[in-house]
Amino acid sequence: AQSVTQLGSHVSVSEGALVLLRCNYSSSVPPYLFWYVQYPNQGLQLLLKYTSAATLVKGINGFEAEFKKSETSFHLTKPSAHMSDAAEYFCAVSWSGGYNKLIFGAGTRLAVHP
Amino acid sequence: NAGVTQTPKFRVLKTGQSMTLLCAQDMNHEYMYWYRQDPGMGLRLIHYSVGEGTTAKGEVPDGYNVSRLKKQNFLLGLESAAPSQTSVYFCASKGLAGLTDTQYFGPGTRLTVL
Repeated sequence: AQSVTQLGSHVSVSEGALVLLRCNYSSSVPPYLFWYVQYPNQGLQLLLKYTSAATLVKGINGFEAEFKKSETSFHLTKPSAHMSDAAEYFCAVSWSGGYNKLIFGAGTRLAVHP
Repeated sequence: NAGVTQTPKFRVLKTGQSMTLLCAQDMNHEYMYWYRQDPGMGLRLIHYSVGEGTTAKGEVPDGYNVSRLKKQNFLLGLESAAPSQTSVYFCASKGLAGLTDTQYFGPGTRLTVL
């Protein structure tokens, strides 16, 4: 069965510091991986996705993620945090035969302080 | 384009009451989904549809029913609301480009069952 684990329900960084949000997946078939962001009182917005074309994926707002099959990971990073990055971030997986469904992780709330 | 819209934005029900949540999309998408979001649990799939007139169960379908009579609309019904159904409900839609196509989310409906 497919599943997603996000390590750390809350992450706090200083403005300008590196952002690292962790995501590990479990899948018996090649996965497709997504990161979504949710700003307060809004729906989810796609940040980036891994589609097997390239292991290092660049997304919007300066975020990127690297697919590491050996570690079953898809961690999200940003070199320098901005106050506007404060939000909740969700990692999700889909897979062939999964009827185009997404399985989400529990989410990581990112706080950015001055 | 409005994208994905949800009606209503907020609702308070008493235990045993019924209601219907409406999701509408104007992107001519085939796939539509209903999720619920609870603290610490991410998003969980309730029901989904792969086309007009078709529906299928997701991870947590009990207590909910859905209908997709028109391609652009996906309705979520609660026949007899329970406090455990207090949650934020999100609708999403996706096109036919494949597994890596993006799901687009609505702004959510916050439901409280007393």
